[in-house]
Amino acid sequence: GDSVTQMEGPVTLSEEAFLTINCTYTATGYPSLFWYVQYPGEGLQLLLKATKADDKGSNKGFEATYRKETTSFHLEKGSVQVSDSAVYFCALTSGAGNNRKLIWGLGTSLAVNP
Amino acid sequence: DTGVSQDPRHKITKRGQNVTFRCDPISEHNRLYWYRQTLGQGPEFLTYFQNEAQLEKSRLLSDRFSAERPKGSFSTLEIQRTEQGDSAMYLCASSEDSGNIQYFGAGTRLSVL
Repeated sequence: GDSVTQMEGPVTLSEEAFLTINCTYTATGYPSLFWYVQYPGEGLQLLLKATKADDKGSNKGFEATYRKETTSFHLEKGSVQVSDSAVYFCALTSGAGNNRKLIWGLGTSLAVNP
Repeated sequence: DTGVSQDPRHKITKRGQNVTFRCDPISEHNRLYWYRQTLGQGPEFLTYFQNEAQLEKSRLLSDRFSAERPKGSFSTLEIQRTEQGDSAMYLCASSEDSGNIQYFGAGTRLSVL
């Protein structure tokens, strides 16, 4: 079945460091790919998405490119801030017909120190 | 519209008791999803509604679990005869028919003692 593999955390960085969180997937068909973020005590929020190969999703300085050849959707940010400390989840849509259920990675915890 | 709302935020119950959670989706979102998330894991799909019709249930959803969306608006998830293994965060999400972005509520954290 479809699956998502994320790099394990926790990841600890200093403020203004470069961030990469790796995500690879296995899927039949042509899934859409997502990064969601969960800040402490809050619900899951969509960070960015890409719906087809070579699409680049971007938001709040974060970027990820849908790479079909490597089945990857790595999350990057050039300069992280303390406020970026959260858990990041990579996910894809899977399912036939109208059910577009999300298949999730395990999540990567990011801590940014001042 | 303030987004997807879930109630209660926290529920503590004793093993063997029944619990019911409620989810109010974003207005006019026809699709509604339930997921379960345990500590250190990503969410796992439980079930999906298109309007009032429950169109898919995961094998994770044992016969102790039942979900309804009677009028195609809010949904309830009931767990009968709770077990300690049911302790988790239960998440609800909704989306438009035409879109593939799911919007999540803050979740209901269930603790079974």
